[in-house]
Formats: sequence, structure tokens, C-alpha cells
Amino acid sequence: GAVVSQHPSWVICKSGTSVKIECRSLDFQATTMFWYRQFPKQSLMLMATSNEGSKATYEQGVEKDKFLINHASLTLSTLTVTSAHPEDSSFYICSAGPTSYEQYFGPGTRLTVT
Amino acid sequence: GQSLEQPSEVTAVEGAIVQINCTYQTSGFYGLSWYQQHDGGAPTFLSYNALDGLEETGRFSSFLSRSDSYGYLLLQELQMKDSASYFCAVGVYNQGGKLIFGQGTELSVKP
Repeated sequence: GAVVSQHPSWVICKSGTSVKIECRSLDFQATTMFWYRQFPKQSLMLMATSNEGSKATYEQGVEKDKFLINHASLTLSTLTVTSAHPEDSSFYICSAGPTSYEQYFGPGTRLTVT
Repeated sequence: GQSLEQPSEVTAVEGAIVQINCTYQTSGFYGLSWYQQHDGGAPTFLSYNALDGLEETGRFSSFLSRSDSYGYLLLQELQMKDSASYFCAVGVYNQGGKLIFGQGTELSVKP
């Protein structure tokens, strides 16, 4: 299957700082990538759709000024959590796929805000 | 809106067969996918159904009935390593791979 990588795999930051998470498709091009958030023992919640060369589409209730998404190339999307707070601590996962129905997930980034 | 329902947990013994059901209500449905997620890991793709019927991949099979808005994942010859969370997810037409996930079913395989 296709390979999607994420970096970093985990990060600890202080409240008020910003954190950037990268998502890369390693062996295919992705005009669209997706960002999810997952709290312990819960399902994946779609945050936004990252579109190469255009603005991201955010799901209802997700603050676009807080979660900045940039899809600068066909293999890279970044999510920046700005002015992070403890409630932003979560597992962030991206997905992409060579076809619209088969999505592959990155290994995830565990963010802890202290 | 979109909603999916699946059981929250299932327990079975090694070597057994288990079926995890998923019912959905969605507009623009084009397919049902299944993902496995172990504790602390990312979801991994298991199976996909766009048309009615059964898809088989090794020990795992997935079924879809579009008229009933229902699908299931069948796991055979259960192994301890199959203990994980299983999510059904609906693909939404014309949204480039956007998936709406169910709440997940935690499968515990006992010796």
C-alpha cells in the first residue's frame, strides 16, 4: 500500500507556543490530504481537508485561525497549531491516498501542551 | 448529516469468527471502508466496498448492502493480535477521499 509519513511523531510544547506538523505522501502525489484529531478511546474527528494550491476546507467547529493548514506541494501538507493550549493536546493524524476511496494514514503525532 | 453506528465492544476467543456490524445514514454515499487501529497506533486500511456483496482479503471479509445502509466486517480464525479497535467509515461522493468515521468497535480476543 501507499506510504504516508508524519513528523514529528510526538511533541511537547509550552502553552502559548505554536507547533508545526508535517504530513508527506512518499510514493504518490496527493492533491488532497486530510487532517484528523483523536482523543483517547474516541473516534477520529475530521478537522479539515487540505487542498494543494488552494485554501483548506475546515469542518464545522474547527477554528481555521488556530489550526493553519498549508498544502504547498503534491506531497506535503502542514498543520500548525497556533497558540497551543492544554486542551489542544491530542493525537493528530493525516491521511492521503492514490484514489479517493482508499486512504492511508500517517503514523500520527502525539501533541502534549503543558 | 452523516451518522454511523457500530457496537462499542466485542469479545471473542482465539480461533473464533466475529462479525462487526455497521449501519449508516449519509447523503452522497459512495463506499464503506474498514480500518484497524491498535492502541497508540494509526489506523490501517483493511477493506472497501462500493458495491453490494462480499469482499474477501485473507482472514478478513467485508460486506455491503446499499439498500439496507448496512455493512459488516467478518474476521475469521481470530488471533490475539487482532485485538484492536475497528472503525467503519463512509466515503462521501465528490469530496475527494473524505471519510466519516464510526465510533469504533473495540475487539478483545481471549485465549
